[in-house]
Amino acid sequence: GAVVSQHPSRVICKSGTSVKIECRSLDFQATTMFWYRQFPKQSLMLMATSNEGSKATYEQGVEKDKFLINHASLTLSTLTVTSAHPEDSSFYICSAPDRSVYEQYFGPGTRLTVT
Amino acid sequence: GQQLNQSPQSMFIQEGEDVSMNCTSSSIFNTWLWYKQDPGEGPVLLIALYKAGELTSNGRLTAQFGITRKDSFLNISASIPSDVGIYFCAGLYPETSGSRLTFGEGTQLTVNP
Repeated sequence: GAVVSQHPSRVICKSGTSVKIECRSLDFQATTMFWYRQFPKQSLMLMATSNEGSKATYEQGVEKDKFLINHASLTLSTLTVTSAHPEDSSFYICSAPDRSVYEQYFGPGTRLTVT
Repeated sequence: GQQLNQSPQSMFIQEGEDVSMNCTSSSIFNTWLWYKQDPGEGPVLLIALYKAGELTSNGRLTAQFGITRKDSFLNISASIPSDVGIYFCAGLYPETSGSRLTFGEGTQLTVNP
């Protein structure tokens, strides 16, 4: 199957700082990527849809000024958590659909801890 | 957002036993996907189903796309300890939601050696 990478795999930052998470499709192009947040023992919660060359679409209740998304190329989307607070600590996962087969592949996730 | 009804929520079984889990929805889907997630990792695609009635296997895993297009099940035969993890179903209906997946709540599987 297709491969999606994420970087970093885990990050610890201080309150008030910003953190950037990268999501790359390694062997296919993705005009759309998705960003999820996952709390322990829960399902994935869609935060936003990242669209190459245009603005991201955010789900209801997700602050677009806090979670900045940039989809600069067909293989890279970035999520920046701005002015992070401890409540932003979570597991963030990206995914990208391989449109040729309608399958969606997930990155390995990024564990964010805000102290 | 919308979620699929996935059951059971958790299962505790002995190694060698068979496992079955299912997902149901009030909406129809054109694609059903089954994922497994290990702790601290992203979900890994196990099986993709594209046609109503389709039955697909991947090793000891078998999944079916329900005839009504509103349900799917996943079976694991002869479970082994490495089957432990959370299994998620996901439905896709591109005509209305693009590539956005609708997820089930997950089935936590524990396999006792």
